Amino acid sequence: AQSVAQPEDQVNVAEGNPLTVKCTYSVSGNPYLFWYVQYPNRGLQFLLKYITGDNLVKGSYGFEAEFKKSQTSFHLKKPSALVSDSALYFCAVRDKTGGYNKLIFGAGTRLAVHP
Amino acid sequence: DSGVTQTPKHLITATGQRVTLRCSPRSGDLSVYWYQQSLDQGLQFLIQYYNGEERAKGNILERFSAQQFPDLHSELNLSSLELGDSALYFCASSAGQGDSYEQYFGPGTRLTVT
Repeated sequence: AQSVAQPEDQVNVAEGNPLTVKCTYSVSGNPYLFWYVQYPNRGLQFLLKYITGDNLVKGSYGFEAEFKKSQTSFHLKKPSALVSDSALYFCAVRDKTGGYNKLIFGAGTRLAVHP
Repeated sequence: DSGVTQTPKHLITATGQRVTLRCSPRSGDLSVYWYQQSLDQGLQFLIQYYNGEERAKGNILERFSAQQFPDLHSELNLSSLELGDSALYFCASSAGQGDSYEQYFGPGTRLTVT
């Protein structure tokens, strides 16, 4: 079965410092990976995806993620964190079981950026 | 704003009751997905419809059902409600059902069962 793991419940970063939110995956076949962000009392917003091609994927709000097949990882990164980046971040993998398109989400990582 | 709308935003009801949550997908999107988000279970996929047909089922209880109408809006029906059904219910839509279509989420309906 497809799955993703987000090993950290919370990540704390000082504003202006680089941030990393970790995600590892377990899939059969080629992974289709996604990052979403959820701000308080809001729905999830799509940040970026990896389907194929370049291992470094650039997304919204200055975020990027690096796909590393040998490490089965897809960590989310940003060179310089903003206080407004504080939110709940979800990694997800496409589950193609049965041939249909559904997402399996990780448990989420809460990012807190301190001024 | 994702373009996906959900109504109502909040719903408070009693155990044993039945409620209907409504979702309108982004213009042109044919796929609709329902998810449940709770503190103990995280974000769980419930069910997917594509152009009116059910396409995938996840952890959806038998007390729950959904449908997608010809105008592509979708409804999630929750019946015989229990306290444990209290959660945030999200609808998402995507253009198709292929692998590369990212999903766009609505703001959610917060259901409180008392």
